Amino acid sequence: DQQVKQNSPSLSVQEGRISILNCDYTNSMFDYFLWYKKYPAEGPTFLISISSIKDKNEDGRFTVFLNKSAKHLSLHIVPSQPGDSAVYFCAAKLGGNTPLVFGKGTRLSVIA
Amino acid sequence: DTGVSQDPRHKITKRGQNVTFRCDPISEHNRLYWYRQTLGQGPEFLTYFQNEAQLEKSRLLSDRFSAERPKGSFSTLEIQRTEQGDSAMYLCASTLSPLDTQYFGPGTRLTVL
Repeated sequence: DQQVKQNSPSLSVQEGRISILNCDYTNSMFDYFLWYKKYPAEGPTFLISISSIKDKNEDGRFTVFLNKSAKHLSLHIVPSQPGDSAVYFCAAKLGGNTPLVFGKGTRLSVIA
Repeated sequence: DTGVSQDPRHKITKRGQNVTFRCDPISEHNRLYWYRQTLGQGPEFLTYFQNEAQLEKSRLLSDRFSAERPKGSFSTLEIQRTEQGDSAMYLCASTLSPLDTQYFGPGTRLTVL
């Protein structure tokens, strides 16, 4: 039972354009969401997070949007750069001492 | 501080052998998590510690797996009688409090032949 779903295994975007990565979840009790970026042979690196009490959080080129009614969140990267090419994981947690629940990831390729 | 470290980075073993991995969390982080990632999947939770106490174990953690954090600092994950299905990337993460972000180490890639 996949509680966090990233339905696009891959995405290609031209350098300078916007990248939009999507994530859906099924558990309405999730109250905190995170995006991680992963390069091959490295561990996931934290990018940005959002609490369920917000609908938007921005950090530089990265913005995360949360639509609780649709149980959907998205990560916008603008402008996209070749160094952004990596696998992006969406993760959610129930709060408190609970582990992260990850999606399967989306591989982003930014083409120069 | 250099972040979460894991050792070894790669381990190749034969089926039936025992292996042990080590994780050193960010200093002062009292929560430590182990995850496993297989090809095409996101990381999946295995177990976590608050200080030296193991507070939760996933059903993925069969009785061949054991984890310890004896002094509340580094942690070890041992897999006994390895099977080919154990081949995966084993990731460790740490955090200071439940509300904080989990920071991951580089992982240990296990290959069971």
